Amino acid sequence: AQSVSQHNHHVILSEAASLELGCNYSYGGTVNLFWYVQYPGQHLQLLLKYFSGDPLVKGIKGFEAEFIKSKFSFNLRKPSVQWSDTAEYFCAVIHNNAGNMLTFGGGTRLMVKP
Amino acid sequence: SQTIHQWPATLVQPVGSPLSLECTVEGTSNPNLYWYRQAAGRGLQLLFYSVGIGQISSEVPQNLSASRPQDRQFILSSKKLLLSDSGFYLCAWRGGMNTEAFFGQGTRLTVV
Repeated sequence: AQSVSQHNHHVILSEAASLELGCNYSYGGTVNLFWYVQYPGQHLQLLLKYFSGDPLVKGIKGFEAEFIKSKFSFNLRKPSVQWSDTAEYFCAVIHNNAGNMLTFGGGTRLMVKP
Repeated sequence: SQTIHQWPATLVQPVGSPLSLECTVEGTSNPNLYWYRQAAGRGLQLLFYSVGIGQISSEVPQNLSASRPQDRQFILSSKKLLLSDSGFYLCAWRGGMNTEAFFGQGTRLTVV
């Protein structure tokens, strides 16, 4: 079965610090990759997505992610975090040879100190 | 535009009672539909997904079942709830290949 690993379960940063959250998935082949964010008390929202083309994907609120096929990774980055980025972040993968199964990682809780 | 409805928002049920959570999607046809359970520190666990009416794939053997009686309706059920079924349940839909998933507001289930 396909799996998605997010290695950082909890991250605490000060405002203006740079952020990188790791995401690795199993299996090769064609994949669709996503990062979702869940702010406190709110439902899941799409942050960014990769389907094909340029492996560096720009998302909302200054986030970006880079797809590195050889490393099976799709790490999320932001050069300077804000207090309002405090949330839980989820990486997700659809492996196109696995039907339409959308698999999520365990999530990373980010706390940004003002 | 497409919308997804999930209800109820919260539910408290006694152990051994049945469960039925409903999810409907508007504004699209033949969506892929998903049920997830979200637990603190464990991310979103895929429970069931469906690519069409009557087609259900189960990812985790458990006390729950799912059905898709209509194209845009996805139901999560249990005949007898266990304490361990408590959690936050999310329904999601997506279109075909190269589309993202959209989530409902979720149902907080507490089994007492």
